[in-house]
Amino acid sequence: SYELTQPPSVSVSPGQTASITCSGDKLGNKNVCWYQQKPGQSPVLVIYEDSERPSGIPERFSGSNSGNTATLTISGTQAMDEADYYCQAWDSSTVLFGGGTKLTVL
Amino acid sequence: QITLKESGPTLVKPTQTLTLTCTFSGFSLSTSEVGVGWIRQPPGKALEWLALIYWDDDKRYSPSLKSRLTITKDTSKNQVVLTMTNMDPVDTATYYCTHTRSTVDYMDVWGKGTTVTVSS
Repeated sequence: SYELTQPPSVSVSPGQTASITCSGDKLGNKNVCWYQQKPGQSPVLVIYEDSERPSGIPERFSGSNSGNTATLTISGTQAMDEADYYCQAWDSSTVLFGGGTKLTVL
Repeated sequence: QITLKESGPTLVKPTQTLTLTCTFSGFSLSTSEVGVGWIRQPPGKALEWLALIYWDDDKRYSPSLKSRLTITKDTSKNQVVLTMTNMDPVDTATYYCTHTRSTVDYMDVWGKGTTVTVSS
């Protein structure tokens, strides 16, 4: 069965660039989206269709997808960006989530 | 403005059937392309997709849970109901309902979730 693999954790200093990856076989052929989830809150869509930002999502959030890897990039990371991030795609008419990445801003 | 709210029991016993209701506003499930889905998240763990239902009654299920899940809609009440049979302690989780469309690959609006504990 198809799987999406994310690193369990990523650390970044404030103001620096954070990159969170999501890997899967030929993932570049699929549309990938990303959700941000802060403790005790519901997930929020931050990137869809690989690189599109919903209204209200800061420009520092961007995405790319090529080959076997999709990447969520947060430029100028702020303390408020500390959260869990999940990638999501479809395969064989089912929805798949990655295992999630905890982003620590320190 | 689209909103979704999950409701159901907070505690169920092992082997029982769980019934969750998603009551939504700001859209209609009789409108072309609209869909409502269910996702769960065990404490401290990742998101897991469960099921989806579209405006035309097309239904999709997680392959690993398909035998235990049923999703239905009541368009007149703006509700989607998810039932899960034979509940087990590993099914303890927060259950979310979401809004989506058949033409997109993402869920753009999520409910606040409802927590279900499975314990005797």
